[in-house]
Amino acid sequence: DTEVTQTPKHLVMGMTNKKSLKCEQHMGHRAMYWYKQKAKKPPELMFVYSYEKLSINESVPSRFSPECPNSSLLNLHLHALQPEDSALYLCASSLDSGISYEQYFGPGTRLTVT
Amino acid sequence: EDQVTQSPEALRLQEGESSSLNCSYTVSGLRGLFWYRQDPGKGPEFLFTLYSAGEEKEKERLKATLTKKESFLHITAPKPEDSATYLCAVPPYSGGYNKLIFGAGTRLAVHP
Repeated sequence: DTEVTQTPKHLVMGMTNKKSLKCEQHMGHRAMYWYKQKAKKPPELMFVYSYEKLSINESVPSRFSPECPNSSLLNLHLHALQPEDSALYLCASSLDSGISYEQYFGPGTRLTVT
Repeated sequence: EDQVTQSPEALRLQEGESSSLNCSYTVSGLRGLFWYRQDPGKGPEFLFTLYSAGEEKEKERLKATLTKKESFLHITAPKPEDSATYLCAVPPYSGGYNKLIFGAGTRLAVHP
């Protein structure tokens, strides 16, 4: 089973709201990722967690706050977002964080900021 | 600079009309090349990993090949359900983490 689940599927939020995206995998993977994808563009890496520790932050604005409560769960806390943050947010996981491990993606959360 | 370029940007095929998608890469040392399929509004679906020149992998109507400079995704007798965006990605040469460099993708439309 190579399933990564994400909730919610869709989210509409105002610029003053606080919301969270959730990602879960039960494949025993020790690396988890957040990506942002705009229409007709490839995914852009935001954060990498390796063994529940933040390994990479691709200079993401502080209004995005990741959290990895345990090895199966990854959250992305959102606060004071801008309309340009509207996008498909993808979670992925891989067996380990070393190079050459394939990443498995979830279905994504479509976020609209009004 | 590590880079991935995919061509064509878009491809329209008739059902049964075989073709190939191209992924050219420039990295100092290839540590794997990944192919994904992405349907509109969904997350990318992993297809193949290729590690060394000459390697080939197949899945149903898809066959991926790798040379020292590029990879091809051959689609044999495609069906409408093969319509999707196909992405290729490579890890950068430097860095210990699996940060993928994605190409812009090829949007494939297969018509009955």
